[in-house]
Amino acid sequence: QKEVEQNSGPLSVPEGAIASLNCTYSDRVSQSFFWYRQYSGKSPELIMSIYSNGDKEDGRFTAQLNKASQYVSLLIRDSQPSDSATYLCASDQTGANNLFFGTGTRLTVIP
Amino acid sequence: NAGVTQTPKFQVLKTGQSMTLQCAQDMNHNSMYWYRQDPGMGLRLIYYSASEGTTDKGEVPNGYNVSRLNKREFSLRLESAAPSQTSVYFCASLGNSNQPQHFGDGTRLSIL
Repeated sequence: QKEVEQNSGPLSVPEGAIASLNCTYSDRVSQSFFWYRQYSGKSPELIMSIYSNGDKEDGRFTAQLNKASQYVSLLIRDSQPSDSATYLCASDQTGANNLFFGTGTRLTVIP
Repeated sequence: NAGVTQTPKFQVLKTGQSMTLQCAQDMNHNSMYWYRQDPGMGLRLIYYSASEGTTDKGEVPNGYNVSRLNKREFSLRLESAAPSQTSVYFCASLGNSNQPQHFGDGTRLSIL
């Protein structure tokens, strides 16, 4: 069964700390991975995409992909209260742009 | 969200009623998608359309039908609504491979 799994949390970190969000996937053919942020009552918005092994950095966000271990993670440095949201991991498991989403990890940054 | 417009934003139905959720995008994207989001379940794909004139089933298509009316519009129809279809429905569109899907603001649907 094709699955994307995330710890649902909640994850709480103090302001200024590093938040680490993790995701595992079951389908070895997955090539594309995405992290979406979703504020309560709002639609998902893309914050990071990653396609190859290693790290990809964008501002305070770093996505990490390890295809051999089938996990993808998101690090948020210098966490801010405005980062408090649910973070959704998604993979394109069919290669046809059809995303499979995890259930999301709810992050709370405590001022 | 700029580019993908969903109507209505909220709707309450009675069991057995029918309804069509509308979605339109102005980004000239080929692919469009309908998801539902339930608490603790994440986003699940209902139907998608890779191009104008084509539609395919996703993970949870039962109880739904779709129409890709033209390149801009992709509608989702509930023929006989059931309480299990109470959910938040999101429409999304995609231009090219490996690009992010753009989501609409969602339709919050309650079925009594």
